[in-house]
Amino acid sequence: NAGVMQNPRHLVRRRGQEARLRCSPMKGHSHVYWYRQLPEEGLKFMVYLQKENIIDESGMPKERFSAEFPKEGPSILRIQQVVRGDSAAYFCASSPLPGEGYGYTFGSGTRLTVV
Amino acid sequence: GQNIDQPTEMTATEGAIVQINCTYQTSGFNGLFWYQQHAGEAPTFLSYNVLDGLEEKGRFSSFLSRSKGYSYLLLKELQMKDSASYLCAVSSNDYKLSFGAGTTVTVRA
Repeated sequence: NAGVMQNPRHLVRRRGQEARLRCSPMKGHSHVYWYRQLPEEGLKFMVYLQKENIIDESGMPKERFSAEFPKEGPSILRIQQVVRGDSAAYFCASSPLPGEGYGYTFGSGTRLTVV
Repeated sequence: GQNIDQPTEMTATEGAIVQINCTYQTSGFNGLFWYQQHAGEAPTFLSYNVLDGLEEKGRFSSFLSRSKGYSYLLLKELQMKDSASYLCAVSSNDYKLSFGAGTTVTVRA
């Protein structure tokens, strides 16, 4: 029973390029959450998605960031025209049901470095 | 807004006990979580408290006082593998977690 799979583990992008981060939830989990962890800071909520729906994107920056969770395939967090400040670890978590916070399973994260 | 405070670092000796405190001020409360995170790895769930009191699970225990906005994680019989970052997180609704910056625990022989 594979856990939450994120890829790539490490991603280097030049300023102005696009970054695509992928997250495959645990089998049977249809709820996906993205968090960002900046150096020396706690994990910050970005977005909550169910299949084909964005439920809460209150933590997403208004520009350049978008997320999707299509009917088929992984959830994607997309960052357009990356800047140095986007360098962080991006974690995805999944759960079987909403309100099951104790059921969160986190992936190992994607470490984005913008040069 | 959410404000969650925990110490930045703690050091303890193998076999000892360490208590990591967490204080919080949040606009809603739906439970408090502790996660363990080794460097470069995923946070892993340790404990969940929603009612006041102590929850014990093996060498780890977690305590909650909702009236004081306070929790602690107690690690007993410390082992070298317990060296990690410990994250306190509060759920303000059904799904959103607000995390503290984490406490890095170093276990020395």
